[in-house]
Amino acid sequence: GAVVSQHPSRVICKSGTSVKIECRSLDFQATTMFWYRQFPKKSLMLMATSNEGSKATYEQGVEKDKFLINHASLTLSTLTVTSAHPEDSSFYICSARPTGEYSPLHFGNGTRLTVT
Amino acid sequence: GQNIDQPTEMTATEGAIVQINCTYQTSGFNGLFWYQQHAGEAPTFLSYNVLDGLEEKGRFSSFLSRSKGYSYLLLKELQMKDSASYLCAVVDSNYQLIWGAGTKLIIKP
Repeated sequence: GAVVSQHPSRVICKSGTSVKIECRSLDFQATTMFWYRQFPKKSLMLMATSNEGSKATYEQGVEKDKFLINHASLTLSTLTVTSAHPEDSSFYICSARPTGEYSPLHFGNGTRLTVT
Repeated sequence: GQNIDQPTEMTATEGAIVQINCTYQTSGFNGLFWYQQHAGEAPTFLSYNVLDGLEEKGRFSSFLSRSKGYSYLLLKELQMKDSASYLCAVVDSNYQLIWGAGTKLIIKP
């Protein structure tokens, strides 16, 4: 079945540094990938839709200059958290969908970011 | 506005059957997903319904009634490992996923 690989699974960084998270579709092409964030005891919150070869579409309230998204190929999207602060500590999850109108979303294993 | 309702928490006994309901009001409908999420992990796909009726997959079944804006996830022969959150999500007319807050299922021996 379709597999989405997300790396790293855990990262600890200091305030002010930047962190890059990679999301890869291993056995299918994904023109669109989605980035989610999950706060403790809350459901997934869509941050942005990543489109191959064009700019990402950000949800309202998400700072595009802080959360940089690059979808350079049909199998790779990256999320860079710039100048990270402790409030950016969260669980970040990417997902992708194979082509086909009713294909389900497949999720990466998530990245737990801790900013100290 | 768009809204997905599901119970916050449910408790069931190992070996029993539990039904988790989901009602929705969305702008358009292009299918409904059920995902399972264990604490600290990403959600995993369970089922997808776009037509009315029951879809059975092993111990799990999912039902959809589009006219009623209603779905349920049925879990049979409950096992301790089924303790998790179950997320209902609807694909709206713009193919955006609208997520419910999830139902925390607690299985007791």
